Amino acid sequence: ETGVTQTPRHLVMGMTNKKSLKCEQHLGHNAMYWYKQSAKKPLELMFVYNFKEQTENNSVPSRFSPECPNSSHLFLHLHTLQPEDSALYLCASSQATDNEGTDTQYFGPGTRLTVL
Amino acid sequence: AQSVTQLDSQVPVFEEAPVELRCNYSSSVSVYLFWYVQYPNQGLQLLLKYLSGSTLVKGINGFEAEFNKSQTSFHLRKPSVHISDTAEYFCAVSVTGGFKTIFGAGTRLFVKA
Repeated sequence: ETGVTQTPRHLVMGMTNKKSLKCEQHLGHNAMYWYKQSAKKPLELMFVYNFKEQTENNSVPSRFSPECPNSSHLFLHLHTLQPEDSALYLCASSQATDNEGTDTQYFGPGTRLTVL
Repeated sequence: AQSVTQLDSQVPVFEEAPVELRCNYSSSVSVYLFWYVQYPNQGLQLLLKYLSGSTLVKGINGFEAEFNKSQTSFHLRKPSVHISDTAEYFCAVSVTGGFKTIFGAGTRLFVKA
């Protein structure tokens, strides 16, 4: 496997379910990101991890819970979601150089989530 | 805080015609600027980025963009598009020392035969 992979690619869940999204990067990067992509809206940054430490939490509801056990893996645990949480969830990684603002982000293909 | 405005939500164009996708940003500090492309059922990938130096930046697939500080713009151009350029294009801005990249809402480029 190369690049950034995400599983599952599609997920349908009820509002009372608990599920997890998985992201894995094979690029040797140190920073990982979760974004939410909804139709006609800008990408919304949810969480950032740098060397396994959370550096950004963009006021995300607690029904989304991230986990970063190491620099290569990132999870998003989901519980009691709402229909408005239906979206494409994208994972990305970057090198995390001395100036992170210049880093290119490498994206996975996303998980298409539908909440019924 | 930074913001990004992509002025066109959709741009239809005929194959082999030139195209310009417009992007304006707002920031009180110096910025870095990016264009990413998203093909159907894929994640975003970098087309090009402006960090410093020459204001004309060349990227992959024949695309280029020009940083205009006075107009706070970073428009993307291609002199002759192909059907395969049909995709969604995102302009983005970041600042020194930050992981937080701000993305625009995207412009859907539709290339017609």
